[in-house]
Amino acid sequence: AQKVTQAQTEISVVEKEDVTLDCVYETRDTTYYLFWYKQPPSGELVFLIRRNSFDEQNEISGRYSWNFQKSTSSFNFTITASQVVDSAVYFCALSEAFDGEKLTFGTGTRLTIIP
Amino acid sequence: IAGITQAPTSQILAAGRRMTLRCTQDMRHNAMYWYRQDLGLGLRLIHYSNTAGTTGKGEVPDGYSVSRANTDDFPLTLASAVPSQTSVYFCASRPQALPAGELFFGEGSRLTVL
Repeated sequence: AQKVTQAQTEISVVEKEDVTLDCVYETRDTTYYLFWYKQPPSGELVFLIRRNSFDEQNEISGRYSWNFQKSTSSFNFTITASQVVDSAVYFCALSEAFDGEKLTFGTGTRLTIIP
Repeated sequence: IAGITQAPTSQILAAGRRMTLRCTQDMRHNAMYWYRQDLGLGLRLIHYSNTAGTTGKGEVPDGYSVSRANTDDFPLTLASAVPSQTSVYFCASRPQALPAGELFFGEGSRLTVL
């Protein structure tokens, strides 16, 4: 069965520090997709990135970067030079090709950026 | 309307009462989903619908039912609410029921069952 683990329940960092959010996944499928979503204090869920299992190239988008490593079943998310607006709950999620209707979420990491 | 609209935004409900959470999307997406969000548990799938006229059970379907009479609407019904159903409920959709597709979420419905 698919499973996503976000071991960090809460993280607090001072503004401008870098921070990495960990995500470890389990899947029986060779084809799968990994996602990150952001949930700011306003409550809506915002899509950040999608990665398929055949593409291990790391991705950078502005201050955000993602490190996908199949060898360790991890899909970590790094925010560089954090800002107060980055304060949110971040969810990692997994979708298998075999069971595509189910997007399984981790329990989330609450990130607080201290001004 | 743009995206997904959920109603009500918030509701307090007595145990044993029937409640329907409404979800409407105007993106003509085929696939729709209901999740509940609980502290420490993340988001868990309740029910889903890959296309109008079909529904399926997710991870935590007990006590909930859904229907998908048309493409736009996907209501979630609690036939007899219990306190453990106190949660924030999110409706979501994506164009097709494909694993690669990102989900678009509504703003959530906060339900308290007393």
